[in-house]
Amino acid sequence: DAGITQSPRHKVTETGTPVTLRCHQTENHRYMYWYRQDPGHGLRLIHYSYGVKDTDKGEVSDGYSVSRSKTEDFLLTLESATSSQTSVYFCAISESEGKQYFGPGTRLTVT
Amino acid sequence: TQLLEQSPQFLSIQEGENLTVYCNSSSVFSSLQWYRQEPGEGPVLLVTVVTGGEVKKLKRLTFQFGDARKDSSLHITAAQPGDTGLYLCAGGGSARQLTFGSGTQLTVLP
Repeated sequence: DAGITQSPRHKVTETGTPVTLRCHQTENHRYMYWYRQDPGHGLRLIHYSYGVKDTDKGEVSDGYSVSRSKTEDFLLTLESATSSQTSVYFCAISESEGKQYFGPGTRLTVT
Repeated sequence: TQLLEQSPQFLSIQEGENLTVYCNSSSVFSSLQWYRQEPGEGPVLLVTVVTGGEVKKLKRLTFQFGDARKDSSLHITAAQPGDTGLYLCAGGGSARQLTFGSGTQLTVLP
C-alpha cells in the first residue's frame, strides 16, 4: 500500500469556522490531489498539485484553498465551512499516468 | 467537461453469477482505470488500460477498453461475496487528472 495518511479521520465543525485537512505521503510522488465523495456524484476533484507551491483548481474548487510547501504534505482549507461541504474527503498521489493511490479519507460534518 | 456514465448504479446478484459493469463517455481518454472501494476506505486501483481494444484479466475480473477509447467494461465471472464493493471507473486526461464515474455498488449474496 502507498504511504498516504490523512488527518483528522473524522471531524465535526460548525458553519462558518475554518477547517484544515492534511494529507501526508512518504512516497515522494510529484502529484497530489484532493477529492470529495458524495452519494450519486462519485469522486470530484477539488484541487491538485503538480509540485511544491504549484497548484491548480479542479471541478469543484469554490470555497476551498490548498497549499503545498513540502513534497510530502498537501493541505486543504475550508476558509468558512458550510453545510454543503459536509462530505468525505480523499487525498490521492500519483507519479505515473493514470495511477492514483488514495488515502483512507476524512469524514467532515458541518453542522 | 468530460463525463463518464457508469451503469448499472446498483447490482445485487447471487454468488456464482456473472456480471458486467459499463463505463461510457462521449470523450476520448488517454487511459482508463478501474477502482474498488470498500466502506470506510479509499478506492484501490485494480487496473489501468491505455490502448484502444486492450483487454486485461485479473483472476476472475476482465477489463476491456473500447477501440475508440471512449468506453470500458468490467466483467466478473463467478462472483463471490468478497467481490462486494463500490466499483469506480476513471478516465485519464490532462495534468494526470482523472474523471470518475459515479460508481456501481455491487452486492454478492452468499
